[in-house]
Amino acid sequence: QKEVEQNSGPLSVPEGAIASLNCTYSDRGSQSFFWYRQYSGKSPELIMFIYSNGDKEDGRFTAQLNKASQYVSLLIRDSQPSDSATYLCAVPSYSGGGADGLTFGKGTHLIIQP
Amino acid sequence: EPEVTQTPSHQVTQMGQEVILHCVPISNHLYFYWYRQILGQKVEFLVSFYNNEISEKSEIFDDQFSVERPDGSNFTLKIRSTKLEDSAMYFCASGYPPPAEQYFGPGTRLTVT
Repeated sequence: QKEVEQNSGPLSVPEGAIASLNCTYSDRGSQSFFWYRQYSGKSPELIMFIYSNGDKEDGRFTAQLNKASQYVSLLIRDSQPSDSATYLCAVPSYSGGGADGLTFGKGTHLIIQP
Repeated sequence: EPEVTQTPSHQVTQMGQEVILHCVPISNHLYFYWYRQILGQKVEFLVSFYNNEISEKSEIFDDQFSVERPDGSNFTLKIRSTKLEDSAMYFCASGYPPPAEQYFGPGTRLTVT
């Protein structure tokens, strides 16, 4: 069974600094990785996804993937108080049916201090 | 921007009753999903649906659960005989292949008393 591990935090970062969120996964065959943001009481919101080793940038967000180490991270540059949320890492099941369910980590609670 | 919608936002039911949760996925999406999140816990996959049939289901999705796409726009989750432990937020998601990024609806909070 796939496992996705995240440090639950809270991770406290000063406004304007870089927030670094980490995730490890158990299945070496996993090929794609998703980062979601979830505000308290709200639904998960897709931030970005990554398939290839290396970095992928989208605005203030950068996802980093290292398949050899089974490690994926999310960097948030110029952190804003509105970035305060729980960040979820997710991995598809690759069941072969086409519509793969996501296995989520427990999430990292990020607090941006003004 | 298209969104996944879910109704009702909050459903209260008594143990043993049947509930149906409703979802309208994004119109050009082909993959549909249900997840649940018990308060304070992680998001858990229940079932996925593609081409008018279940594609994948988790251990949670037992015989008490069923899904249906009754028309071209709606996607429902039915719980036949609710238990106290079914109390959770239920999220519908949809995606477009491949590989599908999944976009979540706002959720239905189910409270079983």
